[in-house]
Parts: sequence; structure tokens; C-alpha cells
Amino acid sequence: KNQVEQSPQSLIILEGKNCTLQCNYTVSPFSNLRWYKQDTGRGPVSLTIMTFSENTKSNGRYTATLDADTKQSSLHITASQLSDSASYICVVTPGGNTGTASKLTFGTGTRLQVTL
Amino acid sequence: DGGITQSPKYLFRKEGQNVTLSCEQNLNHDAMYWYRQDPGQGLRLIYYSQIVNDFQKGDIAEGYSVSREKKESFPLTVTSAQKNPTAFYLCASSSFRGADTQYFGPGTRLTVL
Repeated sequence: KNQVEQSPQSLIILEGKNCTLQCNYTVSPFSNLRWYKQDTGRGPVSLTIMTFSENTKSNGRYTATLDADTKQSSLHITASQLSDSASYICVVTPGGNTGTASKLTFGTGTRLQVTL
Repeated sequence: DGGITQSPKYLFRKEGQNVTLSCEQNLNHDAMYWYRQDPGQGLRLIYYSQIVNDFQKGDIAEGYSVSREKKESFPLTVTSAQKNPTAFYLCASSSFRGADTQYFGPGTRLTVL
């Protein structure tokens, strides 16, 4: 069964500090992996997308890494800001053709709180 | 939230009532999706549509119905057959290619009284 597990479930950090969120998946074959940011009561917004051949992808202070061999990804946030407080969701798309859009596997997310 | 709108933002329903959640997109996307989000769980796919007048059941379609009469619109009806409808509902769209990024609407929070 395809699964995506994220850790930690929740995290509290001080403003200005860095943090790293983890995502482990069992989806196979694999097409791509996305990280989404979801503010409370809002829809998720895409941060990064990586295919199996990419090791790292940055979007401002967000840097995602991917190790397709170990089926692990991480999202590193640099110099955190209060606005980074949100849930971060890892989403994996399986490989193949027809119907991949319907087969996304979503992680349960990591809830990040940035405090003063 | 891109070019996807959902309404209403909050919805209250009495037991036994059907309610319809609206989803509209102006991104010219072929594919649209409905997800349900519950605390501590990943998003779960209810229904999806890859073309007008066609839609497919997702993992948790029981108690829900949809229609796709226009490319821009994909309304979701939560019927009285859905035993636990209180949740956050998210609509998304993507271009026809299945691996493309999905763009999400702002969501509708449905509460059953």
C-alpha cells in the first residue's frame, strides 16, 4: 500500500531559527514529490516539486531535498518567520500513465509554529 | 488560492439535509478534484473529473455526488447518506496531464448540527 509518513507531527521553533521537516514514502514506482504549505483554514499552496532525478529544489527560504534510493525527502526552512507558521504537506505521485492524478498520496502533514 | 474559488467558506447542515458546495476555476484546467480533510489525516480523494461530462469516484465517494456540466465548475453535493460529513472540503484543479501540480481552492468547512 502506498504511504507517505511525515515527522515530526508538530514543531515549535523561535523566529529566526532553521528547521527541517521529514517525509518518508513507500510509493513505487515514483514520479514526483511535492511539498505544500497550508495555512490554517486555507487551501494548500505548492512550494516545490521534484522528480526522481532531482536531489534538491529551492524556493526562497525553503529548500527541499530528495533521496529516491532511500525514499526520503526533507524540507528545510531557513531563518524562519512568523508567517511560516502553517502545516506542511508532502505529496507523492506514483509513476505510470493513466490516472496518476487520481492516485496522489498525501502525508498527514507537519504543523509548524514559529514564535517570538 | 490561485484562480479557484469555493463557496461558501462555512456551511452548517442539519442531519438529513443535502448540501451543495460550489467550486469554480478560471485557470482553463481540464481536471478538477474534491478532497476531504480531517484532523490528523491526509487529504482523501472524493471525486475527480478529467473532462466535461465525465467524472470518477475517488477513495471515499459514498454519500457524495458531483456533476461537471461546464469546464469551469465542479459542484459537490453532500447527501444525507454521508454518515460523518463534518470536515474541511477542498477543491483542486490541474491541467489534463495527470502529474501536473494541483491548485487548491480556499476550502469549505462543513459542520453538521
